[in-house]
Amino acid sequence: AQSVSQHNHHVILSEAASLELGCNYSYGGTVNLFWYVQYPGQHLQLLLKYFSGDPLVKGIKGFEAEFIKSKFSFNLRKPSVQWSDTAEYFCAVDRGSTLGRLYFGRGTQLTVWP
Amino acid sequence: DAGVTQSPTHLIKTRGQQVTLRCSPKSGHDTVSWYQQALGQGPQFIFQYYEEEERQRGNFPDRFSGHQFPNYSSELNVNALLLGDSALYLCASSRSPREQYFGPGTRLTVT
Repeated sequence: AQSVSQHNHHVILSEAASLELGCNYSYGGTVNLFWYVQYPGQHLQLLLKYFSGDPLVKGIKGFEAEFIKSKFSFNLRKPSVQWSDTAEYFCAVDRGSTLGRLYFGRGTQLTVWP
Repeated sequence: DAGVTQSPTHLIKTRGQQVTLRCSPKSGHDTVSWYQQALGQGPQFIFQYYEEEERQRGNFPDRFSGHQFPNYSSELNVNALLLGDSALYLCASSRSPREQYFGPGTRLTVT
């Protein structure tokens, strides 16, 4: 069973639409949370991260994510997507007990039409 | 400042053969982790090296082994290749365990 779940495998949006990608994890205790992005032909890049503090974190390119501990969720959002946001997005969890070992979801392919 | 580099880019091997993949971490990074990404899946953790020792290991058989050198570069070795070992192998480096930077990967095809 997936320990990190990304609910949508493929999302298709038009430019300027709002985006929300879901991510849930099944680990208790302390976690560090990440969203990575993989643009076509490029390697995985860190989009944003949460370690502690304010549960609303802002990343690069206008992305943000909210950590809701009670829901074991870390959803990614962007108010207005651009064609250049077309990419695959991965949620990853680093459990406090296995620091540095990332557990990834299976990814969500985002396609943005101009 | 060069990022994480990996070699080779692509590799084709036959079942039963052995393969070695290489990784150079980002400058200033001392920890290297290896991941396997099968088609349509997220990366799966293989193992992590720090101070030339394997610090953590995922659920991979002993056919998968690694090494870290004094300059922090690392190798991933896979023996007795199976068709199911075909995947993208990713190397990630970090200065601390908490924020990892990924290389472009090595695409391994086993025929």
